[in-house]
Amino acid sequence: GAVVSQHPSRVICKSGTSVKIECRSLDFQATTMFWYRQFPKKSLMLMATSNEGSKATYEQGVEKDKFLINHASLTLSTLTVTSAHPEDSSFYICSARDDRGGQPQHFGDGTRLSIL
Amino acid sequence: LAKTTQPISMDSYEGQEVNITCSHNNIATNDYITWYQQFPSQGPRFIIQGYKTKVTNEVASLFIPADRKSSTLSLPRVSLSDTAVYYCLVGPLDTGRRALTFGSGTRLQVQP
Repeated sequence: GAVVSQHPSRVICKSGTSVKIECRSLDFQATTMFWYRQFPKKSLMLMATSNEGSKATYEQGVEKDKFLINHASLTLSTLTVTSAHPEDSSFYICSARDDRGGQPQHFGDGTRLSIL
Repeated sequence: LAKTTQPISMDSYEGQEVNITCSHNNIATNDYITWYQQFPSQGPRFIIQGYKTKVTNEVASLFIPADRKSSTLSLPRVSLSDTAVYYCLVGPLDTGRRALTFGSGTRLQVQP
């Protein structure tokens, strides 16, 4: 079945570091991918929509300069948390759906980001 | 996208059947109903999807009444490993350009 691979699964780094998270669709093409953030015991919150070959669309309140998104191919989107601070610590999850349509959206296994 | 309402939490015992109901009063004609399961520190996992009546797969059944304003996820004979958060989402089955909007989900706790 359709698989979305997210890497790394866990990152621990110092404040001020930039962290890149990759999201790949393994057996389908996805012109559009999505990035979510999830705090403990809370639901997923959409951060941005990643579009292959064009700029990402950010949800209200999400800083585009803090969360850089690059969607360079039909199977890869990256989220870079720039100059990360402790308040950026969270669980980040990506998702994608097959461009051919008719399929449910599939999610990566998430990245646990901890900023010290 | 249609807003959904689910119970915040449910408790059950191993071997029982669990039914989780989701309300989606303003579902649109072209909306489908999709259920996801999420374990701690993992991404949501697709369980089942349907448009009307009943859908069954190897892990669950989905019951949708004629007016489609609600749906019920049925988990037969749950085990401890079914302890998770279950999300009901409603939206069109298009080419994937629109994100899914997650509600609060239902936290299912299965006891021995």
